[in-house]
Amino acid sequence: DAGITQSPRHKVTETGTPVTLRCHQTENHRYMYWYRQDPGHGLRLIHYSYGVKDTDKGEVSDGYSVSRSKTEDFLLTLESATSSQTSVYFCAISDPRTGTSSYNSPLHFGNGTRLTVT
Amino acid sequence: KQEVTQIPAALSVPEGENLVLNCSFTDSAIYNLQWFRQDPGKGLTSLLLIQSSQREQTSGRLNASLDKSSGRSTLYIAASQPGDSATYLCAVKGAQKLVFGQGTRLTINP
Repeated sequence: DAGITQSPRHKVTETGTPVTLRCHQTENHRYMYWYRQDPGHGLRLIHYSYGVKDTDKGEVSDGYSVSRSKTEDFLLTLESATSSQTSVYFCAISDPRTGTSSYNSPLHFGNGTRLTVT
Repeated sequence: KQEVTQIPAALSVPEGENLVLNCSFTDSAIYNLQWFRQDPGKGLTSLLLIQSSQREQTSGRLNASLDKSSGRSTLYIAASQPGDSATYLCAVKGAQKLVFGQGTRLTINP
């Protein structure tokens, strides 16, 4: 699992509550990503980070925020959870030092967090 | 906008067969293409990464090819085993971030 731990692994929460998912890596990789995986949509990028305090939006960022105060931790917050955010959330990491260039470093995934919003 | 398609969505073959999984993409301006496998309830495991300048990559019984001009990649699995049963996804890296296909669910029957 490339030294990636996601917590919690499962969570059930109610509509309107804030939720924070954590991704912790031990690989000292520079880049970190949050994806969601849904039937019929595949994997979609929510937010990503190229370094501490350096984050940017992906294609489905509405309703989500992220923070990265340390290299090893990347937090995803659902500010006010909705049923449409029921999904499996994956954290991924990569580092240009592991590939032939910054564009050719492989992506490694955690085991995911299954979130249900009721 | 890059679109990635994997056909078929599901495939079932007997153990021992050689098989090919397909991935097609619409924009040939890519940096690389990566193949992953996903087991139920798990994350994605990186199998092979092919750079845009490469034609193929091999790892054990797996061989991935890339034809940028036609927008196609194939993943060849030799001498399939029940442990190869999983969903296989391809992902293309271009000017956008990685764009994933929806995967092919592969079942190897003993």
